[in-house]
Amino acid sequence: DSGVTQTPKHLITATGQRVTLRCSPRSGDLSVYWYQQSLDQGLQFLIQYYNGEERAKGNILERFSAQQFPDLHSELNLSSLELGDSALYFCASSLTLSRVDGYTFGSGTRLTVV
Amino acid sequence: AQSVTQLGSHVSVSEGALVLLRCNYSSSVPPYLFWYVQYPNQGLQLLLKYTTGATLVKGINGFEAEFKKSETSFHLTKPSAHMSDAAEYFCAVSDLRANSKLTFGKGITLSVRP
Repeated sequence: DSGVTQTPKHLITATGQRVTLRCSPRSGDLSVYWYQQSLDQGLQFLIQYYNGEERAKGNILERFSAQQFPDLHSELNLSSLELGDSALYFCASSLTLSRVDGYTFGSGTRLTVV
Repeated sequence: AQSVTQLGSHVSVSEGALVLLRCNYSSSVPPYLFWYVQYPNQGLQLLLKYTTGATLVKGINGFEAEFKKSETSFHLTKPSAHMSDAAEYFCAVSDLRANSKLTFGKGITLSVRP
């Protein structure tokens, strides 16, 4: 157990629907990152939060949004889902913004859009 | 922008043979470099990292990597492969900015033959 908890582990939903993925960072970590992993694109950075504030945005679609709450857990909201959104979504956390930290990853949420 | 190149998508070795997984990076400033391993249906786990100091870095499970600035490389090695090493391996470089975003390579799948 890495200490980063992601729920649900699996999600199957239909095109056009909206889903919410949840992440609880490792205890004490202030920074949360979301990544999308697909066979063709590899690991793509979506968005980062630090202590409740958005700090960096990557290749995140406008249909996707995220937030980090006061208790530091984070949610990734995916709407108007398309078949191409099927992927593994990982959350990772780190203690600070230091480049030294590296990340601790959760086990991911596998999203299947049908 | 920083980037990581992992040539090839698949490496196959015999059990007991040397493992060599290549990683080259581009960066205009001294990089922080990481290797992660992903076992099937799991999240990414940190193997080792280079920040500053000694250029030969030792990690978990007998892996090590050497930072070579002149070659912009950070290749991962293990003297003797074990069946349990079969996994996907990702090289990553830390972002220039203070927010510590990691940029990942596309990953290399390591197979170990009996």
